[in-house]
Amino acid sequence: GAVVSQHPSWVICKSGTSVKIECRSLDFQATTMFWYRQFPKQSLMLMATSNEGSKATYEQGVEKDKFLINHASLTLSTLTVTSAHPEDSSFYICSARDPGQQYEQYFGPGTRLTVT
Amino acid sequence: GEDVEQSLFLSVREGDSSVINCTYTDSSSTYLYWYKQEPGAGLQLLTYIFSNMDMKQDQRLTVLLNKKDKHLSLRIADTQTGDSAIYFCAEMISDYKLSFGAGTTVTVRA
Repeated sequence: GAVVSQHPSWVICKSGTSVKIECRSLDFQATTMFWYRQFPKQSLMLMATSNEGSKATYEQGVEKDKFLINHASLTLSTLTVTSAHPEDSSFYICSARDPGQQYEQYFGPGTRLTVT
Repeated sequence: GEDVEQSLFLSVREGDSSVINCTYTDSSSTYLYWYKQEPGAGLQLLTYIFSNMDMKQDQRLTVLLNKKDKHLSLRIADTQTGDSAIYFCAEMISDYKLSFGAGTTVTVRA
């Protein structure tokens, strides 16, 4: 199946700093990528939909100025957590949709963010 | 809270069958999914079912869909220790967005 990678796998940053997470589709072009957040022992909550060449669409309650999403190419979307706080610590997972597939999204392995 | 509901825990003996249940709320969902997540890892698509199907079988996995009751189940035959994981039920709601349940933690005991 198709492969989606995320980088870094885990990151520790200090409060007030910004951190960027990359999501790449390795063997297909993804016009749409999704960013999810997962708290320990909880479900995935959709944060935003990232569309190549246009602005991301954020879900209700997600601060767009705090979680900056850029989808500059058909294989790369980035999520930047700005002015990070400890409550931003979480597991961030991206998924990518292959336009040729009607039903499947391919998930990245996730990025563990810890803000100290 | 989630619109998709699942029981949180399931303990099963190795070799027995596991059944994980899920209810969803969006009757217009076209696809329903079961994903597996192992500790510290991303999601692995196990199987999916199109909304006009009642059942789908794929090796040890059987998915049953009751559209009238908006009920989805996943049966794992001959459960193995490697099946210990969190299983998420999900529905495609709109614009290819997925809505996930809280996940069922399956523990396989020897």
